[in-house]
Amino acid sequence: QKEVEQDPGPLSVPEGAIVSLNCTYSNSAFQYFMWYRQYSRKGPELLMYTYSSGNKEDGRFTAQVDKSSKYISLFIRDSQPSDSATYLCAMPRESYQKVTFGIGTKLQVIP
Amino acid sequence: GAGVSQSPSNKVTEKGKDVELRCDPISGHTALYWYRQSLGQGLEFLIYFQGNSAPDKSGLPSDRFSAERTGGSVSTLTIQRTQQEDSAVYLCASSLLGQAFFGQGTRLTVV
Repeated sequence: QKEVEQDPGPLSVPEGAIVSLNCTYSNSAFQYFMWYRQYSRKGPELLMYTYSSGNKEDGRFTAQVDKSSKYISLFIRDSQPSDSATYLCAMPRESYQKVTFGIGTKLQVIP
Repeated sequence: GAGVSQSPSNKVTEKGKDVELRCDPISGHTALYWYRQSLGQGLEFLIYFQGNSAPDKSGLPSDRFSAERTGGSVSTLTIQRTQQEDSAVYLCASSLLGQAFFGQGTRLTVV
């Protein structure tokens, strides 16, 4: 079993839809949770970072962590075609430890 | 520099040749990663350097792959006797407190 599981998609939604992207993890030592966005032919860029259970909001993006279920989510409200990208979850065990990435979910927002 | 810098951005090489890929991490970042991303695939972990600790080489696919990090800063990934299946984008990332920052990658094509 991989430490971090993520559905690769692709996920296709109409513009304006609410998007839900998810990851599960098996190692309860993971304490920090991140979401990266990768546009085609670019390197991944950090989108959101959280280290606690609950929700963290940033504009149209909300990161949700449920440590009891070992489940994290990224919600995108009012999705735009510019949100079309691959979204990767990532988590280190401790702040100085190796980051483990999910495989990434490819999202396409149709105008 | 302001971000992670990788060179070259593109490399075309003949099968059987050796190649060297360079990564300049963000100044002060103690951790450095190499990943490989084949067309349409997720991130494949290759190697991880953290400070002066022995590197985690568990992701290197064969003994043709090696990497070093000199002076805790610049890193070089070397692929010997390249094969066509080595064609991919090679991404470097550095981090200090768990948040990894990526370069734009080196697109390697083996012909």
